[in-house]
Amino acid sequence: DAGITQSPRHKVTETGTPVTLRCHQTENHRYMYWYRQDPGHGLRLIHYSYGVKDTDKGEVSDGYSVSRSKTEDFLLTLESATSSQTSVYFCATTMGGTEAFFGQGTRLTVV
Amino acid sequence: GIQVEQSPPDLILQEGANSTLRCNFSDSVNNLQWFHQNPWGQLINLFYIPSGTKQNGRLSATTVATERYSLLYISSSQTTDSGVYFCAVEPATYNFNKFYFGSGTKLNVKP
Repeated sequence: DAGITQSPRHKVTETGTPVTLRCHQTENHRYMYWYRQDPGHGLRLIHYSYGVKDTDKGEVSDGYSVSRSKTEDFLLTLESATSSQTSVYFCATTMGGTEAFFGQGTRLTVV
Repeated sequence: GIQVEQSPPDLILQEGANSTLRCNFSDSVNNLQWFHQNPWGQLINLFYIPSGTKQNGRLSATTVATERYSLLYISSSQTTDSGVYFCAVEPATYNFNKFYFGSGTKLNVKP
């Protein structure tokens, strides 16, 4: 499996505060993704990146921004966290046209 | 966007039983993967199978791309097979290299 590390693994934050989640990979995969998982919805794509500084929106991108300044890191930022963003967030990577691998997830609670 | 439907949504098996999980998708796909999410939330790659049949131990998968479905077979089920099974597809005609997930099949294998 690809070496994918998400940090933090758990976070509790207050409504209105900014939050940044980090995904770090050691496999030099070109494509990186952020998903959120909620009961009854499976996994939904938030944003993805197809290269350094190249990103695009997914299905549920409102309220989220991303950045990728180097191949190995993909950051997800909630500019002003809301309770509806309480979720489990997963990062994934792929070389492109191949299987995707997932990190262990970050459980975010917005109170 | 592409629709990915998994059935059944829930499945309860006695240890040793066999089962078939289904994934239907509404558009042509470049890639399809099956994942197992264990009770600790980790997403584990099972199969990368855009077409054809693959086997790995007690698990096998078949994708019939022309008819837009994939099947995951679990034989001689064990309690460790419990969890949620997801299929994820990459549409062929748009959104290149984005994966879309079904809502999953929750499997409970009882001893």
